Amino acid sequence: QVQLQESGPGLVKPSQTLSLTCTVSGDSISNAAYYWSWIRQPAGGGLEWLGRVYPSGSTDNNPSLKSRVTLSIDTSKNQFSLKLISVTAADTAVYYCARDVRVGGLDYWGQGTLVTVSS
Amino acid sequence: DIQMTQSPSTLSASIGDRVTITCRASQTINSWLAWYQQKPGKAPKLLIYKASILESGVPSRFSGSGSGTDFTLTISSLQPDDFATYYCQQYHSYLTFGPGTKVDIK
Repeated sequence: QVQLQESGPGLVKPSQTLSLTCTVSGDSISNAAYYWSWIRQPAGGGLEWLGRVYPSGSTDNNPSLKSRVTLSIDTSKNQFSLKLISVTAADTAVYYCARDVRVGGLDYWGQGTLVTVSS
Repeated sequence: DIQMTQSPSTLSASIGDRVTITCRASQTINSWLAWYQQKPGKAPKLLIYKASILESGVPSRFSGSGSGTDFTLTISSLQPDDFATYYCQQYHSYLTFGPGTKVDIK
């Protein structure tokens, strides 16, 4: 059974960097069949894809976030990570990690973690 | 960027109703479309991918159709567990979600 679990601070100050890690169990993050994505959802709002990382370490980022997002992968720990710089209150959201099937959508998701940006 | 729209934004229906949700892409995405169901406080759940392929374990009352720019999700007979918000998502070019359709009780 594939499981994903987000971890990281629940509170980040404005202008600082949001850092989250997703730990994957039940599958190898090196599996070439999958990408690994981050998605966020503000309270009462819709879903926004932030980006994805490939097992090779290559990444695709949502152009709307420009260069604020950095994604990385650690195959030795079966984890992948998100860094979002210069956060504002608009970045307050539930952040999800998910397994991204190349031709089949996002089939496994973490439970989500709420990150609040506030001083 | 590919933009996704959904209609309606809210749909009120009764148990046993046939429900149809529409999703439109701003440019052709072939069949690279997925549908998700989300309940409050939970992560989205994949229902359908490649426009019409039912994810394993998803009840057969769910079906998807369409290609190019226009797609539909149909629930043939609405069940109590189906009251939720539904999102479409394209994966032709990066990933973009639609704004969602909330299905509530009439």
